[in-house]
Amino acid sequence: QVQLQQSGPGLVKPSQTLSLTCAISGDSVSSKDAAWNWIRQSPSRGLEWLGRTYYRSKWYNHYAVSMKSRITVSPDTSKNQFSLQLDSVTPDDTAIYFCARTRGIIDSWGQGTLVTVSS
Amino acid sequence: QSVLTQPPSASGTPGQRVIITCSGSSSNIGRNTVQWYQQLPGATPKLLIHSDNQRPSGVPERFSGSKSGTSASLAISGLQSEDEADYFCAAWDDSLNGSWVFGGGTKLTVL
Repeated sequence: QVQLQQSGPGLVKPSQTLSLTCAISGDSVSSKDAAWNWIRQSPSRGLEWLGRTYYRSKWYNHYAVSMKSRITVSPDTSKNQFSLQLDSVTPDDTAIYFCARTRGIIDSWGQGTLVTVSS
Repeated sequence: QSVLTQPPSASGTPGQRVIITCSGSSSNIGRNTVQWYQQLPGATPKLLIHSDNQRPSGVPERFSGSKSGTSASLAISGLQSEDEADYFCAAWDDSLNGSWVFGGGTKLTVL
């Protein structure tokens, strides 16, 4: 049974970088069957997929077109975790951020982190 | 605006059958399987249905899914008070660079 444990600050100032980490237990970030995703949820936007990282003999990243210039999702194989960095945040980036595993479907979610962008 | 369209609310009395719809397009529901999730307030989404109509182990038979063309449905029969929650659909979308897309969610009220 995979478990995803998120960590990171709940408050970020405008123009700064949002950084979150998702620690994986019960699976490997290097699994060739899985992808590791970030998804956010807000009242104004609903659920929005942000991007993913996955290993298939080499590492791949894949980002939502709307996020492509600001987002980095990266694995940390030494700690079996992956992270999200979102640059130049604005109040519009205020949301609950989830990490999630996909194995053909989104089958596991982290607990969610409310990130507020405010000065 | 969400890519997949759901009614914002639905309701029913205990024991009734309720159907929640999810409308998409040829690049998502029309081409890929649909998942349904239940989300209680402040909680992580729980997978109810995958691959259009498959229930993971532990999900009651009261929950069922179906799909036709570019639309999908979640049916909940024998409605119970603990079914009061938000429900949303999800599917992979092949347009642009590819992405997961979601419905806006349906708030189910058990009267």
